[in-house]
Amino acid sequence: EADIYQTPRYLVIGTGKKITLECSQTMGHDKMYWYQQDPGMELHLIHYSYGVNSTEKGDLSSESTVSRIRTEHFPLTLESARPSHTSQYLCASSEYGATQYFGPGTRLLVL
Amino acid sequence: AQTVTQSQPEMSVQEAETVTLSCTYDTSESNYYLFWYKQPPSRQMILVIRQEAYKQQNATENRFSVNFQKAAKSFSLKISDSQLGDTAMYFCAFMKQGNKLVFGAGTILRVKS
Repeated sequence: EADIYQTPRYLVIGTGKKITLECSQTMGHDKMYWYQQDPGMELHLIHYSYGVNSTEKGDLSSESTVSRIRTEHFPLTLESARPSHTSQYLCASSEYGATQYFGPGTRLLVL
Repeated sequence: AQTVTQSQPEMSVQEAETVTLSCTYDTSESNYYLFWYKQPPSRQMILVIRQEAYKQQNATENRFSVNFQKAAKSFSLKISDSQLGDTAMYFCAFMKQGNKLVFGAGTILRVKS
């Protein structure tokens, strides 16, 4: 079982609030990823990082931002939440060319 | 652009029976990885099985095996002796250059007792 953690697991918040979704891993993986998944749908890559101070946007455009100041930590921030941001956000990590391990996800509901 | 297609939105199987989930993909790359992930209801996404494209031998993990047909770009998952705990959404995924995954739309598998 991979050691990758996400907090909070569930978040209900009002429109316009700033939120940060936390993701951390204890495996020392260089690569980390954020995916967005609507209920019963496929995952879409929104951000990824190949190491400290490296962040890139993924295939699906997102208003969120990410940072990678420490190897083990890859938080995602929404400056002003909107109902369209309601979704599940999954964090993953991997070594190069290897399997991605997923966290438990954060279910976000913006009212 | 790489795409992954899972043509079966839902499947059902009786406990102890065998079921096969289909997946096709499109790529121009010659070296890549393919994965099947399992996402149980309200639970964490976990790896079921992985296949390297350069390996001709089909991957096997206990009751789970794949039928990898590189020329046909097909990557099906066979689950033998199905168990109630196999009930989940199954995603086929392709790893493209840069270590990024492209997922199919998923197949909901229900194992019935």
